Amino acid sequence: QVQLQESGPGLVKPSQTLSLTCTVSGGSISSGSYYWSWIRQPAGKGLEWIGRIYTSGSTNYNPSLKSRVTISVDTSKNQFSLKLSSVTAADTAVYYCARDHTTWVQDPGYFDYWGQGTLVTVSS
Amino acid sequence: AIRMTQSPSSFSASTGDRVTITCRASQGISSYLAWYQQKPGKAPKLLIYAASTLQSGVPSRFSGSGSGTDFTLTISCLQSEDFATYYCQQYYSYPITFGQGTRLEIK
Repeated sequence: QVQLQESGPGLVKPSQTLSLTCTVSGGSISSGSYYWSWIRQPAGKGLEWIGRIYTSGSTNYNPSLKSRVTISVDTSKNQFSLKLSSVTAADTAVYYCARDHTTWVQDPGYFDYWGQGTLVTVSS
Repeated sequence: AIRMTQSPSSFSASTGDRVTITCRASQGISSYLAWYQQKPGKAPKLLIYAASTLQSGVPSRFSGSGSGTDFTLTISCLQSEDFATYYCQQYYSYPITFGQGTRLEIK
């Protein structure tokens, strides 16, 4: 059973960089044709896909955030990470990591395993 | 970006009811649609993918249909644990987008 767990600071100051890590257990992050995604949800609102990475390092980002987002992977640690720069209060949200199940590599997919989510608040 | 619009945004129902939630895409997405259930304080849970394929372990009272631009999620006999918020998601093209959610409440 694949499990994902987000970790990182719960409070980030405006203009700084938000950094989160997702640790995958119960299977290798490199096995299968899976991408690994970040998704966020402001309180009381809907879901926004941030971006994803394949274990080769290939990435896809949401154009609305692309200029500020970097997603990386560390296969030796079975982890992938999110960096979001120049944050503002609008970036306050619960951040989820998820396994992106894609039929064809490089095509978008659906999310079959999710982490529990971590709240990140942007405030001075 | 493809816009996903769900209706209704919220509604009330009773246990045992049959309910249908609609999701409309702003352009055709074939059958590249998934449905999720989210309970307060929890991560979304995948219910259906490819518009009508039930994820393993999901009760058979959940079903999905549609293709192109119009899709439905049906719960055939509401149980108490089904009261939650439901989201559709398209994975036809980037960026991946979700509907705004449908909140299902107890009448």
